[in-house]
Amino acid sequence: GAVVSQHPSRVICKSGTSVKIECRSLDFQATTMFWYRQFPKQSLMLMATSNEGSKATYEQGVEKDKFLINHASLTLSTLTVTSAHPEDSSFYICSARDTGRITQHFGDGTRLSIL
Amino acid sequence: SQKIEQNSEALNIQEGKTATLTCNYTNYSPAYLQWYRQDPGRGPVFLLLIRENEKEKRKERLKVTFDTTLKQSLFHITASQPADSATYLCAPAGGSQGNLIFGKGTKLSVKP
Repeated sequence: GAVVSQHPSRVICKSGTSVKIECRSLDFQATTMFWYRQFPKQSLMLMATSNEGSKATYEQGVEKDKFLINHASLTLSTLTVTSAHPEDSSFYICSARDTGRITQHFGDGTRLSIL
Repeated sequence: SQKIEQNSEALNIQEGKTATLTCNYTNYSPAYLQWYRQDPGRGPVFLLLIRENEKEKRKERLKVTFDTTLKQSLFHITASQPADSATYLCAPAGGSQGNLIFGKGTKLSVKP
């Protein structure tokens, strides 16, 4: 149980392109989902917290107009990197928290490479 | 600011031995702490959660302790196997929404 599916697993695209990443909880409902970014040999850095039906809460230093988050249902959250540039290249990982529980379950991440 | 330190970046041990990983945190008091395993190019996988009022938690070959006085958690893998080789992440709960704050992780290598 507690499976989180993240898609796509890898994206390579040109600078200026917008990229959408999907995060789905497959066998549970998630009121809250989280988006992280991880650089090589670094810890996971929380970018934003997404609550179903409301606006996401962004961490300090994360541009909300750059990283658009939509959490329209209890099983789906999306992260759109708008007008991506090479410095946005990173490993993006989502997690979902089963409603009423504490543990976060993670997707397998999306490797984003901007040329 | 809140800070997490995992004692070493890498730990090499022999198969069959017990691996002990350390996580220290400063400047806050988490209500609970979680440990995750991460393999290269994959997302973290949940292993264990321990609450502030629990001293110890076990799951099969895994054991976690939580010392709120020392602000430290220890993670043990007994009878380690090469398949246990991975990066282990410590994540105490932090923000108002129970957000996790992750350490950089300890890369464990178990040699046959």
